[in-house]
This record gives sequence, structure tokens and C-alpha cells, in this order.
Amino acid sequence: QVTLRESGPALVKPTQTLTLTCTFSGFSLSTSGMCVSWIRQPPGKALEWLARIDWDDDKYYSTSLKTRLTISKDTSKNQVVLTMTNMDPVDTATYYCARIVYPHAFDIWGQGTMVTVSS
Amino acid sequence: AIRITQSPSSLSASTGDRVTITCRASQGISSYLAWYQQKPGKAPKLLIYAASTLQSGVPSRFSGSGSGTDFTLTISCLQSEDFATYYCQQYYSYPWTFGQGTKVEIK
Repeated sequence: QVTLRESGPALVKPTQTLTLTCTFSGFSLSTSGMCVSWIRQPPGKALEWLARIDWDDDKYYSTSLKTRLTISKDTSKNQVVLTMTNMDPVDTATYYCARIVYPHAFDIWGQGTMVTVSS
Repeated sequence: AIRITQSPSSLSASTGDRVTITCRASQGISSYLAWYQQKPGKAPKLLIYAASTLQSGVPSRFSGSGSGTDFTLTISCLQSEDFATYYCQQYYSYPWTFGQGTKVEIK
């Protein structure tokens, strides 16, 4: 059974750096074709794709957020980490991680973690 | 970035109705389109990928069609558990983008 779970702070202050961890099971990110992405959803709004990391360590980022995002993986721990710098109240959202089996879409999602940016 | 225009933004329907939601891409995306269902407080769930391939375990009343720029999600006979918000998403080119969502409400 494939599962993903997001973890990280529920509250961050403006200008701080957010670090989120996606811990997964049921697959290996060293297996060809496996990828993990981060997606976010502000309250009451649509989904927004943020970043993706592949089995071969290729990385892809949202054009508008590229300068603030870093995605990395620790295959031995079955974890993917997303950092977002210079947080702003508009970054308040539920952050999801999701698996991709290349070349397809997000087939399994984590439950999401709500992050509020406020002083 | 490829823009995805999803319509309608909301609709009211009754159980048993046939419901159609459309997505239009600002440029051709072949068949690299997925559909998701999201219920309040829950993560999205993949319904259809590659425009028309039903994800394992998804009821056959859901179907997808289209290629290029115009795509359709059809629910052939709406059930009570289908009242939710639906999103389309293109994965043809980066940045991947979602439609704005369609909320399907009870009439």
C-alpha cells in the first residue's frame, strides 16, 4: 500500500523559511519512473503545482516560485523535503505531496498539512 | 505557462443526472490531462489520466475525452457521493497547471 504523509510547522512568520517533509512508503524513489511532487491549495482556492523530483534526481519548479523553492530527496529515509524561503501571508495554504509514476499524473496524495503565515 | 480554463465554475444537479465539465488549454497538450475529485477537507483523488484512462478503482460512470486543447469529464449518472469539486490538470509542459475547479452541488 502506497502512502504519503506531510509534516512541518503549522505556523511560520513572514520572511522565515518553511521546511516541509514528505515521508512515504510502499514505493522507492530510486525505482525508475517514480517521482514526488508538492502541490498547495490556499483556503477556498484552486490547486497550484510547486515542484517535482524524480528517481534520477531531476528537479522541476514552478516558474513563479522557482527562486524560493528547493526540493530534495533522501532515498534511504523515503523522504522528500521542500523548502520555501521568504514566506509571506499569501503562502498560507494546505501543502500536499503526491506520487507520480512517470509519465502520468498524481496518483496517490498525502492528507496535506496546513501552513499559516502570520506574525 | 499553459493556461487551463475550466467551466462551469459551479453547477447544480440532481442524483441521476448526466454532468459534463470542460477544460480548455491555451495550447495543445496532446492527451496529457488528468481529472481529480476533491471533497471538503480531503486531498484530491485521481479519477482519469491521459485524458481518458480511468484510474483503477474509479467507477465507470466517470469518463474523460478529448485531446489537443479541449477536454471533457462526464459523470453519466450522478450519485450522492459525487458531489464535490473537480479539477483538471495538464502535465504536458512545465509549469504544470490546474483548472480553477468546478463545484458540483445538489440541486
